[in-house]
Amino acid sequence: AQTVTQSQPEMSVQEAETVTLSCTYDTSESDYYLFWYKQPPSRQMILVIRQEAYKQQNATENRFSVNFQKAAKSFSLKISDSQLGDAAMYFCAYRTYGGATNKLIFGTGTLLAVQP
Amino acid sequence: GAGVSQSPRYKVAKRGQDVALRCDPISGHVSLFWYQQALGQGPEFLTYFQNEAQLDKSGLPSDRFFAERPEGSVSTLKIQRTQQEDSAVYLCASSLGGQGLEAFFGQGTRLTVV
Repeated sequence: AQTVTQSQPEMSVQEAETVTLSCTYDTSESDYYLFWYKQPPSRQMILVIRQEAYKQQNATENRFSVNFQKAAKSFSLKISDSQLGDAAMYFCAYRTYGGATNKLIFGTGTLLAVQP
Repeated sequence: GAGVSQSPRYKVAKRGQDVALRCDPISGHVSLFWYQQALGQGPEFLTYFQNEAQLDKSGLPSDRFFAERPEGSVSTLKIQRTQQEDSAVYLCASSLGGQGLEAFFGQGTRLTVV
């Protein structure tokens, strides 16, 4: 079974600075997807960024980028130029490629605080 | 509507009561998921529908949990004889299906069993 581990329960960053959130996962599959979701107090999960395991190039979405290390099974999220609106719970998630069920397996989350 | 809609947003139930949680997915989305999120935890998969067919219910914690999607659109998650450990946020998500990658989430229903 696949597992996702987020070892940082809480992180803090100064506004305009850069922060990196860690995620590791365990799987025996060679093809899969990895995601970072943001969950603000409104509880709605919002997709931040996704990475296909077969792509070597790290995904980037504006101020958000990932460092995907397939051999190490590591998938960290870097937030550049942090903004107050980035404060939220961040979840790393795994999904099997081509599975019958496109279910997501989530980590336990990292609560990010942004200091003005 | 434009997004996934869940109702009610909050539900307080007395232990032993039955509850029904509703999810209205994005129009045209084939796939629908239910997740349970305990306090301070990540969401955990409960069940998955493709249209009206429930293809995976491996995450349902007990036979007190039942989900349906009779016409392939709106879904209801029913919990019978609620217990305190059922207290959680219940999230619904929908996607286009197939290899449609992005799952869109609703704001969830926070269930508190007292």
